[in-house]
Amino acid sequence: EAQVTQNPRYLITVTGKKLTVTCSQNMNHEYMSWYRQDPGLGLRQIYYSMNVEVTDKGDVPEGYKVSRKEKRNFPLILESPSPNQTSLYFCASKYRGRLNEKLFFGSGTQLSVL
Amino acid sequence: AQTVTQSQPEMSVQEAETVTLSCTYDTSESDYYLFWYKQPPSRQMILVIRQEAYKQQNATENRFSVNFQKAAKSFSLKISDSQLGDAAMYFCAYRSARDSSYKLIFGSGTRLLVRP
Repeated sequence: EAQVTQNPRYLITVTGKKLTVTCSQNMNHEYMSWYRQDPGLGLRQIYYSMNVEVTDKGDVPEGYKVSRKEKRNFPLILESPSPNQTSLYFCASKYRGRLNEKLFFGSGTQLSVL
Repeated sequence: AQTVTQSQPEMSVQEAETVTLSCTYDTSESDYYLFWYKQPPSRQMILVIRQEAYKQQNATENRFSVNFQKAAKSFSLKISDSQLGDAAMYFCAYRSARDSSYKLIFGSGTRLLVRP
């Protein structure tokens, strides 16, 4: 089954404790991206990757890191989480190119930073 | 910068009735895509319908249809014969055809309640 898998689904942590949210896709997609969802703000792009070893900032990259060492994986790293990073996070992927615009989303990771 | 506005935080509809969710956007570009996503309590983001700006014909997917008014920069979603399973948060989203980041710009969402 074609899917984007995020782990964990829920995470509670404390300020300053490094964490990683994993994202993996099984569709051989070149493009992957991270979004955060906050009430009243919708979803906003954090980082994106056009292919292996190619990453770039989205609209709200502060406090986050990403890496793309393999095509299928795109982890989101919070080196020193703060309470303002409490949010619902989504990973997404798609094929590059104009003709196929469908973006596949993971099931989300609800992060609480105390 | 492009923006997407959903002015209805919450809407309610009687089962089997029709409801329209509003969305307006601001852009100076002429080539772009518009989307409606559904987010049920499971949190999954589900693509409901998509519209290419260069197409004049309004997109339709079964009970879901859009009213795309390019000049007015309006993109409303009509849900006909509403069902209990339609209850969810609905997000309108914009994507520039020229943006190499493939970034989706989302509105703040409209929560749809369906009364049995």
